[in-house]
Amino acid sequence: QQQVKQSPQSLIVQKGGISIINCAYENTAFDYFPWYQQFPGKGPALLIAIRPDVSEKKEGRFTISFNKSAKQFSLHIMDSQPGDSATYFCAGTTSGTYKYIFGTGTRLKVLA
Amino acid sequence: DVKVTQSSRYLVKRTGEKVFLECVQDMDHENMFWYRQDPGLGLRLIYFSYDVKMKEKGDIPEGYSVSREKKERFSLILESASTNQTSMYLCASRLAGGAPEAFFGQGTRLTVV
Repeated sequence: QQQVKQSPQSLIVQKGGISIINCAYENTAFDYFPWYQQFPGKGPALLIAIRPDVSEKKEGRFTISFNKSAKQFSLHIMDSQPGDSATYFCAGTTSGTYKYIFGTGTRLKVLA
Repeated sequence: DVKVTQSSRYLVKRTGEKVFLECVQDMDHENMFWYRQDPGLGLRLIYFSYDVKMKEKGDIPEGYSVSREKKERFSLILESASTNQTSMYLCASRLAGGAPEAFFGQGTRLTVV
């Protein structure tokens, strides 16, 4: 009930391409789904987040697509750049609780 | 900007030592967390504290304890370090009742030899 499954584990994309990372959750009580970006030697930082009352959220080149019925959400990075090379974590949590359940992470490498 | 500061970037300790990892946040956040990050396993919650002197076990508390005597400081204690506790440790904080965003420190890479 608590897992968030993330795929792929690693991803290599050419500069200018689209990077897609997928997550699936089990707990239907989750009502906040953030994506965190982590550069080597740094802590994770919030990239973009969505609540389940919308199906898509876009911030610049980053878009979350959310499918409530399938209990899946994905991160799309358009026009991927070498500076996007990082590890990305999806997560789910429930308002009023303290706990995030994180996916296992995706290491993205964008080739110049 | 919220700042979460972990006292050490790198630590090397011997098996059996008592190890203290310190975390300080400067935004008056009630909630603080300790996560462990391992390749292929993501971030796993060790302990969290929802206010001063309040704490709850996370998913992997065995071998760890915590202390929160002041609101801004949350300490993770390895009572008797073992080699399987070699890992990256991340501290985070969050405003209770506010936006759900958690802010992370830069991490402490602990090696137990």
